[in-house]
Amino acid sequence: KQEVTQIPAALSVPEGENLVLNCSFTDSAIYNLQWFRQDPGKGLTSLLLIQSSQREQTSGRLNASLDKSSGRSTLYIAASQPGDSATYLCAAQAAGNKLTFGGGTRVLVKP
Amino acid sequence: GAVVSQHPSWVICKSGTSVKIECRSLDFQATTMFWYRQFPKQSLMLMATSNEGSKATYEQGVEKDKFLINHASLTLSTLTVTSAHPEDSSFYICSARVLPGNEQFFGPGTRLTVL
Repeated sequence: KQEVTQIPAALSVPEGENLVLNCSFTDSAIYNLQWFRQDPGKGLTSLLLIQSSQREQTSGRLNASLDKSSGRSTLYIAASQPGDSATYLCAAQAAGNKLTFGGGTRVLVKP
Repeated sequence: GAVVSQHPSWVICKSGTSVKIECRSLDFQATTMFWYRQFPKQSLMLMATSNEGSKATYEQGVEKDKFLINHASLTLSTLTVTSAHPEDSSFYICSARVLPGNEQFFGPGTRLTVL
């Protein structure tokens, strides 16, 4: 059974600092890995999707890496802004299309 | 990007009543949709996989007779919480799978409160 863990559970940084969010998964037989953002009381916004054959994906200030062999993915957010404050979730997708979510990292960027 | 809507966005009901939640893919067809439940300060837990034209596949521990799923068209899946009780109060989120790539796009969620 796939288990996904996110560390840290919460993170507070001053504006302008780079953010590093970690995600680990126990079963390396994944189809892809997705990173999402969730604002309080809202649904999920897809940020980046990394296929199992890829090593990283980039979108603007966001960069996500994937190391299947070690069961790890990292989301980097450069030059953080107060608007980046949210909960960030990673999810590993198995071949059967099921997404297994991590517990999330709550990020607070202080102005 | 693909857009998924949910209706209603929130609902309050009395214990014992049934509540229907709709999930629609607005600009694409989705043969597969997923229903998740999220309790406060917790992550999402998959409840069931909804396949167009066939029965839903439920995760272990999810009562199929309590959470009825109907995926009658390529753009609509419904979740009906039957005889709702206060412990069913939660945030219900659906997602739809987009091919190719299997990326999932999520709806805005439905907040259910059972009194």
